[in-house]
Amino acid sequence: EIVLTQSPGTLSLSPGDRATLSCRASQTLTSGYLAWYQQKPGQAPRLLIYDASTRATAIPDRFSGSGSGTDFTLTISRLEPEDIAVYYCQHYGSSRQTFGQGTRVEIK
Amino acid sequence: QVQLMQSGAVVRKPGASVKVSCKASGYTFTSYYMHWVRQAPGQGLEWMGIINPRGGGTSHAQNFQDRITMARDTSTSTVYMELYSLRSEDTAVYYCARGGIYSGNYSPFDYWGQGTLVSVSS
Repeated sequence: EIVLTQSPGTLSLSPGDRATLSCRASQTLTSGYLAWYQQKPGQAPRLLIYDASTRATAIPDRFSGSGSGTDFTLTISRLEPEDIAVYYCQHYGSSRQTFGQGTRVEIK
Repeated sequence: QVQLMQSGAVVRKPGASVKVSCKASGYTFTSYYMHWVRQAPGQGLEWMGIINPRGGGTSHAQNFQDRITMARDTSTSTVYMELYSLRSEDTAVYYCARGGIYSGNYSPFDYWGQGTLVSVSS
């Protein structure tokens, strides 16, 4: 089973800062089937990025995804107050789906 | 518009079972796989299993061996997840989520239900 490790655990930034979130896989994701989700308190997760770098419908262009192999990154180019949330990566390219443990983004 | 409407919060005693429903609307029910994901209080997301609404085939995570059943009713566009032999560690919010970007079983989850809180307590 592929294990996804996210870092850092918590990111404290100011509005307008650039946020860089990392997701490392225990094995190469040859398919590139890596997604990112945003979850705000009391809400269901929302799909942001899939196939490592494709923005989902209606996602602002300040969110971008990159990476391949075992190392993937979610970047928020200019942090907005409404971006405060926990972000999860997910590998969906096998019969056993896996999520990372999450990165919390907070306002400094 | 696509909607996934789940059943309401429940409380169960240890050893009991729980059945959660997820009614889909706004799209062709049999065209996309449905997943179940849970989240314990303050914890991350845990994938539980997948069901193919067209044929009813299922697959689940090893953690739930022999304790989970998933089913669907195409006449009402509803999927069900039943978890048996509940223990306190099963206290969580349970979500259904559509694997809707691609029609196969390898797809990210584009729509989620609102979640169902299952509390297990004596």
